Amino acid sequence: KNEVEQSPQNLTAQEGEFITINCSYSVGISALHWLQQHPGGGIVSLFMLSSGKKKHGRLIATINIQEKHSSLHITASHPRDSAVYICAVAPTSGTYKYIFGTGTRLKVLA
Amino acid sequence: DSGVTQTPKHLITATGQRVTLRCSPRSGDLSVYWYQQSLDQGLQFLIQYYNGEERAKGNILERFSAQQFPDLHSELNLSSLELGDSALYFCASSVVSLGEQFFGPGTRLTVL
Repeated sequence: KNEVEQSPQNLTAQEGEFITINCSYSVGISALHWLQQHPGGGIVSLFMLSSGKKKHGRLIATINIQEKHSSLHITASHPRDSAVYICAVAPTSGTYKYIFGTGTRLKVLA
Repeated sequence: DSGVTQTPKHLITATGQRVTLRCSPRSGDLSVYWYQQSLDQGLQFLIQYYNGEERAKGNILERFSAQQFPDLHSELNLSSLELGDSALYFCASSVVSLGEQFFGPGTRLTVL
């Protein structure tokens, strides 16, 4: 079993829909990172959080440390949100390596 | 624009050759990370440097080596290239180890 699991693996939505992507992890962490990889390959940092909730525009990220779970929500989705969304955790084990999820491929249809 | 620069953007070379990929981190960032992403695969962590010293190693082949220089830029050297080394190579930087990472645009390496 992977230490970081994302669900769903693939998601197709209609424009305007509310989208949720989940990330569960099994290790102790100091922080969790949400990344977006565009179809052209570029990777953008969306959020880094260690507790609670963060919001930026139409994107909201939450984390529950006790339950070892984070969610990324996209409100009023748009075709330009089509990308791969990647969850990565910074473990407290002292290995200095992020552990990455396998990504969620999102396609938003007009 | 993340502030992380990588050169070159594209590189086409032949099997058996050696190439050097270069990364300049964001101003003030001390950590540099290298990742490999093969076609339709996830990011594979290669190596991390912090302020000139190797901090963590991932699945980096012996044919690959890296270093971080006093001005904090980093180079990834790939030698005896094989077809399977064709991939996108990303560099990322952060202020501290395992801080928020900012990614460069990547170098697309094609080995023919």
